[in-house]
Amino acid sequence: GNSVTQMEGPVTLSEEAFLTINCTYTATGYPSLFWYVQYPGEGLQLLLKATKADDKGSNKGFEATYRKETTSFHLEKGSVQVSDSAVYFCALSDRSNTGKLIFGQGTTLQVKP
Amino acid sequence: NAGVTQTPKFQVLKTGQSMTLQCAQDMNHNSMYWYRQDPGMGLRLIYYSASEGTTDKGEVPNGYNVSRLNKREFSLRLESAAPSQTSVYFCASSSTSGILQTQYFGPGTRLLVL
Repeated sequence: GNSVTQMEGPVTLSEEAFLTINCTYTATGYPSLFWYVQYPGEGLQLLLKATKADDKGSNKGFEATYRKETTSFHLEKGSVQVSDSAVYFCALSDRSNTGKLIFGQGTTLQVKP
Repeated sequence: NAGVTQTPKFQVLKTGQSMTLQCAQDMNHNSMYWYRQDPGMGLRLIYYSASEGTTDKGEVPNGYNVSRLNKREFSLRLESAAPSQTSVYFCASSSTSGILQTQYFGPGTRLLVL
């Protein structure tokens, strides 16, 4: 079945450091891929998405490239800020009419000043 | 435009009590979902409704029931709460047209079952 695996957290970085959060997936066909972010005490918000191989999703300085050959969708940011502290979820959709998403377990990012 | 709203925000139940979590969306979305979030386990799908009038089980449906009251509203009911149902519950909605399938989440309901 479809699944998503994220790197274990928590990830602790200093402000302005480079961020990578790894995400790999298992799926049949060509899923759409997403990164969601959850700030403390809030629901999830879509951060970025990619719908086909080699697509790059980007938003708020974050980027992720859909790599079909390595079944990966790693999240990167060149210079993190304290305000980026949150839980990040990688997810995939199998493009069925149900719109169901399968989430990874989440990675907590803490950025220190 | 409120997006996805959930009530209540927080609830404490005793084992065996029942309750209904309410969810509404004002984005004219066809599909709605209920998830639970537990530490280290991400979000797990409880039930979903692909369109008005239909509901289907997700990954962890046991102990829950749902009602798609109309296109806007999708409720989750716990008939006899158990401590294992202590969790944070999120409702989400999406338009299922094309390949977008972006889900929009409510703020969550924190449930504690004693």
